[in-house]
Amino acid sequence: EIVLTQSPGTLSLSPGERATVSCRASQSVTSNSLAWHQQRPGQAPRLLIYDTSTRATGIPDRFSGSGSGTDFTLIISRLEPEDFAVYYCQQYAGSPITFGQGTRLEIK
Amino acid sequence: EVQLVESGGGLVQPGGSLRLSCGAYGFTFTSQWMNWVRQAPGKGLEWVANINEDETEKYYVDSVKGRFTISRDNAKNSLYLQMNSLKVDDTAVYYCARGFGPDHWGPGTLVTVSS
Repeated sequence: EIVLTQSPGTLSLSPGERATVSCRASQSVTSNSLAWHQQRPGQAPRLLIYDTSTRATGIPDRFSGSGSGTDFTLIISRLEPEDFAVYYCQQYAGSPITFGQGTRLEIK
Repeated sequence: EVQLVESGGGLVQPGGSLRLSCGAYGFTFTSQWMNWVRQAPGKGLEWVANINEDETEKYYVDSVKGRFTISRDNAKNSLYLQMNSLKVDDTAVYYCARGFGPDHWGPGTLVTVSS
């Protein structure tokens, strides 16, 4: 099983600032099969990024993903009020599919 | 527009059974892998099971193996999760989700296992 560890657990920033969330895998994620999801309170998750760096349909270009092997990063270049939420990385390179524990992005 | 709508959640006693359903709309259901993902109250996301297009491949997280069964009816554009021998730790919102990403999620249905 590939274990995903996200850091930090909580990120406190202000609108307009840049957010960086890291996701480290316990073993290499082949074919860059890594996604990022956003979950706002009381809502279902929403896909932001798949295949490490491809934005899903309708996702603004302030969201970007990068990485390879065991280290992956989600960057939000300029935070908007609606971006304050919980973010999860997820790998689908092998079974079982696994998620990181989540990073809470809160308003400072 | 792609839509996934779960149903069948509710309150059940430990040891009991429940069957969740997910209706799929707005896409070619027969060409997609489908998943169940759950989220315990105040916790993170946990993948539960997935199934390929023709039901020849099914995979489960270890904690539900032997108790849960994923299935689908392509004629009805529906996904199912039969949950038996339910435990208190199975209490969660259960989401139906499309593909490996997954790229679309339903709103979820709450399953509460409690005496």
